Amino acid sequence: EAGVAQSPRYKIIEKRQSVAFWCNPISGHATLYWYQQILGQGPKLLIQFQNNGVVDDSQLPKDRFSAERLKGVDSTLKIQPAKLEDSAVYLCASSSEADLLTDEAEAFFGQGTRLTVV
Amino acid sequence: AQSVTQLGSHVSVSEGALVLLRCNYSSSVPPYLFWYVQYPNQGLQLLLKYTSAATLVKGINGFEAEFKKSETSFHLTKPSAHMSDAAEYFCAVSFGGGFKTIFGAGTRLFVKA
Repeated sequence: EAGVAQSPRYKIIEKRQSVAFWCNPISGHATLYWYQQILGQGPKLLIQFQNNGVVDDSQLPKDRFSAERLKGVDSTLKIQPAKLEDSAVYLCASSSEADLLTDEAEAFFGQGTRLTVV
Repeated sequence: AQSVTQLGSHVSVSEGALVLLRCNYSSSVPPYLFWYVQYPNQGLQLLLKYTSAATLVKGINGFEAEFKKSETSFHLTKPSAHMSDAAEYFCAVSFGGGFKTIFGAGTRLFVKA
């Protein structure tokens, strides 16, 4: 079974530039998440999709971050304009159950995109 | 408010020794608790989770964790460390429906030969 695919793996941009990350979840997984992991910290949920609808985007800085999952499959996360503090690893995850609190449910993570803003 | 604290940003053990990674949580509602492992340049992998069934939870790679409500703890243990266990470990707490999960800052485990 193919895992969660993310691209690019690494990106270096200057502040005020824009950047986009792409995620292809595991086939059939209805739920997709984007996390931001700053160096030395645990991941922080930015946005959660159920199919092509947003379930939770309460921690997404909407003035500069946007995400979409138009066809309910792959997703893009965009930052415009980028700030120095956006330097982090952006992780995408997917699951086949909306509620991960069931015994069978598990979220599968991609390798992440490491963003450096200079 | 829900939060999770991992005690010790770095833990070093010898190969074959007991692994103990500490996690304490704060939650105003019954918590669900998770441990994830992250190898260098990899995503997170679920080790185990507590969802209000048995308080002693067994996970992959020989790890287990015990939920202790009185101590608000969910420490991760493994009887005998292996070199391949060297990684970063994250404790997480979730509440309510969906996946509103809060991660700890992580503990990096070093295993000495």
